[in-house]
Amino acid sequence: GENVEQHPSTLSVQEGDSAVIKCTYSDSASNYFPWYKQELGKRPQLIIDIRSNVGEKKDQRIAVTLNKTAKHFSLHITETQPEDSAVYFCAASIAEAGSYQLTFGKGTKLSVIP
Amino acid sequence: DADVTQTPRNRITKTGKRIMLECSQTKGHDRMYWYRQDPGLGLRLIYYSFDVKDINKGEISDGYSVSRQAQAKFSLSLESAIPNQTALYFCATSPSGYNQPQHFGDGTRLSIL
Repeated sequence: GENVEQHPSTLSVQEGDSAVIKCTYSDSASNYFPWYKQELGKRPQLIIDIRSNVGEKKDQRIAVTLNKTAKHFSLHITETQPEDSAVYFCAASIAEAGSYQLTFGKGTKLSVIP
Repeated sequence: DADVTQTPRNRITKTGKRIMLECSQTKGHDRMYWYRQDPGLGLRLIYYSFDVKDINKGEISDGYSVSRQAQAKFSLSLESAIPNQTALYFCATSPSGYNQPQHFGDGTRLSIL
């Protein structure tokens, strides 16, 4: 099955700096890559996703890049703010007939220091 | 707002007890999922269902069973709970079709003594 590795497991940045979280996946057939943000005690919330026919996607201060050849994708957060502090999870899935499963990375705890 | 609701939010029980966690949704989605979250391990899929007549095992289904009572309801059961099933459990839903985002409930924190 699919295996998703996520790095780093913890990340501390100064407010206003950028943060980058990287994930690699094992199955070249994976074609959907969402990112979730989970604040302490809350549910995971989808913040951005990318599909395999796209190399980059942006939404305000958040961007995701995908390199299918190298089988890795990254989350970029610019101008970080204290409210960006949370655990971030990447995931990958293979969409094929009769099957659809998300495999998650183990998460990155991001701390933004004011 | 359309949402995914899990009950109970917290549960403490003893080893060997049967437990049912319930999930209902008003999003009108066909697909429903149960995940388990442990510190440092991310989210792992237990079972998923694409419609009322379709139930599939996920990565860690041993020790769990599910029931899809209706399009909007998906229950997770632990037939005989054991301490290593102590975890945070999430239900999620998604629309049909390829590459659709999943929407999570607030979770059930389960402690087995």
